[in-house]
Amino acid sequence: KQEVTQIPAALSVPEGENLVLNCSFTDSAIYNLQWFRQDPGKGLTSLLLIQSSQREQTSGRLNASLDKSSGRSTLYIAASQPGDSATYLCAVRPNNNAGNMLTFGGGTRLMVKP
Amino acid sequence: DTEVTQTPKHLVMGMTNKKSLKCEQHMGHRAMYWYKQKAKKPPELMFVYSYEKLSINESVPSRFSPECPNSSLLNLHLHALQPEDSALYLCASSQDVGRWTEAFFGQGTRLTVV
Repeated sequence: KQEVTQIPAALSVPEGENLVLNCSFTDSAIYNLQWFRQDPGKGLTSLLLIQSSQREQTSGRLNASLDKSSGRSTLYIAASQPGDSATYLCAVRPNNNAGNMLTFGGGTRLMVKP
Repeated sequence: DTEVTQTPKHLVMGMTNKKSLKCEQHMGHRAMYWYKQKAKKPPELMFVYSYEKLSINESVPSRFSPECPNSSLLNLHLHALQPEDSALYLCASSQDVGRWTEAFFGQGTRLTVV
């Protein structure tokens, strides 16, 4: 069974810092990995989608990498801002016969202090 | 337009009430999903509809009844819920259930059962 883990569970940084959020998964047989942002009590906003054949994706100050063989992905946030404060979730789409549904990690709660 | 719209945003219902949650997307997606999210936990898959047919039911109690009237709409009918069913209910859609697809989520319905 695929398990997804995110470390750290919570992170507090001063504004302007570059930071890295980590996501690991136990089964490397995946189709893709998606990073989401969730504000308190709100829905999920898709940030980046990395297909299994890709190594990284970039959007603005965000860069996500994928090392499928080692079961790891990182989300790099450059020059963090207070508006980046949210919970960040990674989710993998397994390559199996169980419908290929997204499996989520527990999330990293990020606080960026002014 | 990458929007998934959920109504209502908030719902308080008694244990004997019948209510419905609604979800709508106009992206032409043919896969739609219901997720349940408890506080500080990742989303958990409940149901998957593919081409308006129920394809996955993750052993959800019968007091939750999904319905997909057409390719743009997804409902979740609620009846005789328990207080422990209080959670954020998220709707998502993707182009289909295929391996390469990106999932888009709505803002959720915050349900409180009293």
